[in-house]
Amino acid sequence: AQRVTQPEKLLSVFKGAPVELKCNYSYSGSPELFWYVQYSRQRLQLLLRHISRESIKGFTADLNKGETSFHLKKPFAQEEDSAMYYCALSKHNTDKLIFGTGTRLQVFP
Amino acid sequence: GAGVSQSPSNKVTEKGKDVELRCDPISGHTALYWYRQSLGQGLEFLIYFQGNSAPDKSGLPSDRFSAERTGGSVSTLTIQRTQQEDSAVYLCASSLVGSIVGYTFGSGTRLTVV
Repeated sequence: AQRVTQPEKLLSVFKGAPVELKCNYSYSGSPELFWYVQYSRQRLQLLLRHISRESIKGFTADLNKGETSFHLKKPFAQEEDSAMYYCALSKHNTDKLIFGTGTRLQVFP
Repeated sequence: GAGVSQSPSNKVTEKGKDVELRCDPISGHTALYWYRQSLGQGLEFLIYFQGNSAPDKSGLPSDRFSAERTGGSVSTLTIQRTQQEDSAVYLCASSLVGSIVGYTFGSGTRLTVV
């Protein structure tokens, strides 16, 4: 069965520090991986997906099939990055998303 | 509408009562999903509707939970004989299957069972 693991419930950094939010998955095929973000009092929204190979708000994520990881990175964190981040997986683009338990990122001034 | 609309936004109910939660997806979105969001549990998949196909009910936690989607649009999630452990935020999302923009989520219904 597919599973997404986010080992950190809370990650606290100072503004300007690098950030890495960890995500590991278990799935025997070739999954599609996503990061979703929920800012305070806002709706959950898509941040990026691995297939697009894009950088959004300075964040990037690389799919490492050997390590079954899809860590989210940003070289210099900003206070406005403080939010809840969820990693998610789907078997293919016509299937449901399976989410991890989320990591709360706190960026202090 | 412009986004996914859920109602009510908050619901407090007594243990043992039935509740209905409503989701109005984005017009034209063929896929509709229900998730439950609770502290420490992340987003738990409940049920998925895709067009006229049979729904994927594999995430429903018990037979007290059911959902329907009428006319390929509005969906209702029903919880019968509510228990305190049902307290959570219930999120609905819709998407165009295969869309690169992913799911569009509603703002959720916060259910509190007392």
